[in-house]
This record gives sequence, structure tokens and C-alpha cells, in this order.
Amino acid sequence: GDQVEQSPSALSLHEGTGSALRCNFTTTMRAVQWFRKNSRGSLINLFYLASGTKENGRLKSAFDSKERYSTLHIRDAQLEDSGTYFCAAERGGRALIFGTGTTVSVSP
Amino acid sequence: NSKVIQTPRYLVKGQGQKAKMRCIPEKGHPVVFWYQQNKNNEFKFLINFQNQEVLQQIDMTEKRFSAECPSNSPCSLEIQSSEAGDSALYLCASSLRRTNYAEQFFGPGTRLTVL
Repeated sequence: GDQVEQSPSALSLHEGTGSALRCNFTTTMRAVQWFRKNSRGSLINLFYLASGTKENGRLKSAFDSKERYSTLHIRDAQLEDSGTYFCAAERGGRALIFGTGTTVSVSP
Repeated sequence: NSKVIQTPRYLVKGQGQKAKMRCIPEKGHPVVFWYQQNKNNEFKFLINFQNQEVLQQIDMTEKRFSAECPSNSPCSLEIQSSEAGDSALYLCASSLRRTNYAEQFFGPGTRLTVL
């Protein structure tokens, strides 16, 4: 079936540095969402993209449907960026297919 | 961020018991999804509705779950006879439309523990 491969599974960052998370799709997806699980366990919407790139503060996401991938870049990481990030993609009017998450740990 | 309400937050049942959870979607969102998230962070789609109509569901849901989204009442998902493997976080999400993709917004989930 359709799959979403998310990497890395864990990421350690020092404050002020940056890195990228990536999701590869086994088939063409129409849109992607990125979430962060907050301290209460709720999924917080970070981005929704049907194409191109979006930026919000220190986070930037890109989605290339043709090349079958999406990325989430974190720059100038802060302690509050720690958490588990999920990408989820959708083929059109259907349920989201989730990646297995990236646990980001930001240290001083 | 999300205004999806789920109750209860925690549910503990014995094997064979019914387990029922509820969801109030964001105002104006006609499409509701239910997902199951296990302890390995694996998400499984269960069923979705547009207003009161079932759009899609997986085999497991069809056989062992009962779900509905009545008008003017919360949506509900009920496991008819709970099994240990049903222990998971059940997430409800809502979105604006079905025919073209629309962003989904999630509730905090109901964590079910089957003893």
C-alpha cells in the first residue's frame, strides 16, 4: 500500500543550529501536512501544502509531488522546538497516511 | 490551534466490554475522520464521514466497531467487544471538504486501555 517514509527517526540539535526532516512517498500524493505533538500529546498543525514551500517563523516546509517528497527545515533551533514531528500525506479526498515521526531534542 | 473536542480523554475497559468515545468536530467542518495511533506512533485510518454518511472504512472497523455522526450530536466510535490489541490513542479529525483535499485538524484523542 501507499507508504510514507520519514527520516530521521531521532534528531539532536544544539540551540541555534538547524536541520531538516524528510518524508518520502511511495506514490504521488496531492498534499502533505506537518504536525508537532505538544506536551499534552495533541497534534499541532504546522503546515499544509499542496505544492511549493511555506515558511512560518523558524520553520520552513517544501512539498514536491512529482519527486514524491516533503521536507521540514528547522533553523535557529530553540528548546521549545523539542518534540515529535509527523508528516502525513494524502492522495485526494482520503485519509492521511502518516510517517512514523521524528523525535527532535534541542539542548542548550 | 484545533477546536476538535474529544471525550473522554482516558478510557479503561476490560476485555469483551464495549468502549465508546465521542468527538465534536470544528464548527462548520462536515468531514470527520477517526484514526488509531499505537504505542509505536503508527497511525491507522479507521473510518470517515461526511455529515452523517460513511465515506470509507476499513474491514476491522466494519466488523468490530460501530460509528456514527448524527446531526446535532457528537460523532461517536464504539468498539463492540474490546480486545487487548485495541489499546491505543483514538484520534478524531475534522476538515472542511472531501472532494478536494482539505487540511485536517485533530482533537487531543481518547486513550483507551483494555485490561
